[in-house]
Amino acid sequence: DAGVTQSPTHLIKTRGQHVTLRCSPISGHKSVSWYQQVLGQGPQFIFQYYEKEERGRGNFPDRFSARQFPNYSSELNVNALLLGDSALYLCASSSSYATEAFFGQGTRLTVV
Amino acid sequence: KQEVTQIPAALSVPEGENLVLNCSFTDSAIYNLQWFRQDPGKGLTSLLLIQSSQREQTSGRLNASLDKSSGRSTLYIAASQPGDSATYLCAVRPGETSGSRLTFGEGTQLTVNP
Repeated sequence: DAGVTQSPTHLIKTRGQHVTLRCSPISGHKSVSWYQQVLGQGPQFIFQYYEKEERGRGNFPDRFSARQFPNYSSELNVNALLLGDSALYLCASSSSYATEAFFGQGTRLTVV
Repeated sequence: KQEVTQIPAALSVPEGENLVLNCSFTDSAIYNLQWFRQDPGKGLTSLLLIQSSQREQTSGRLNASLDKSSGRSTLYIAASQPGDSATYLCAVRPGETSGSRLTFGEGTQLTVNP
């Protein structure tokens, strides 16, 4: 079985641009969460979606948005990119609302 | 606000040594705690999940313990190998109603020398 897959693996964007990151959860998993990991720090929670509804949001500005599709895959969108948005963006899937989280390999976003 | 601290930040040991990584959290009202491994530039690999009602979990050479009342967890690695070199992260889930909102520590960077 495939694990959590994220695309793209690497991305370079210019300040002010918009970016879309994608995540496919483990087959049968209905919950997807997004995390931002700045170099040298632990991941920070951005969003959780469960059964296509937003179930939690971390302390991130409105420039960050996400959605979950009927097949449970998810997109994270970031508008008006800032240099400080450069980070590893991680997606995690869980079979249910509060069960064990399994992470993908991440998308490395660099904003120049 | 839940805060998670991991000590030490970095650890270097010779191959074959047994070692303990520490994790502490400020709010003892947790649902479960998860230990992860992260290789440089990669995603997180789940190692062990301990429910709040459990005291410990074991997987191969790894043993994780949880003392919820004191806000502490330890990850014990037996007979360390160079392939164990990675950053180890602990994360707590505050409560079942908090879903998958994990709060992470900053990790312990482990180097096992041949």
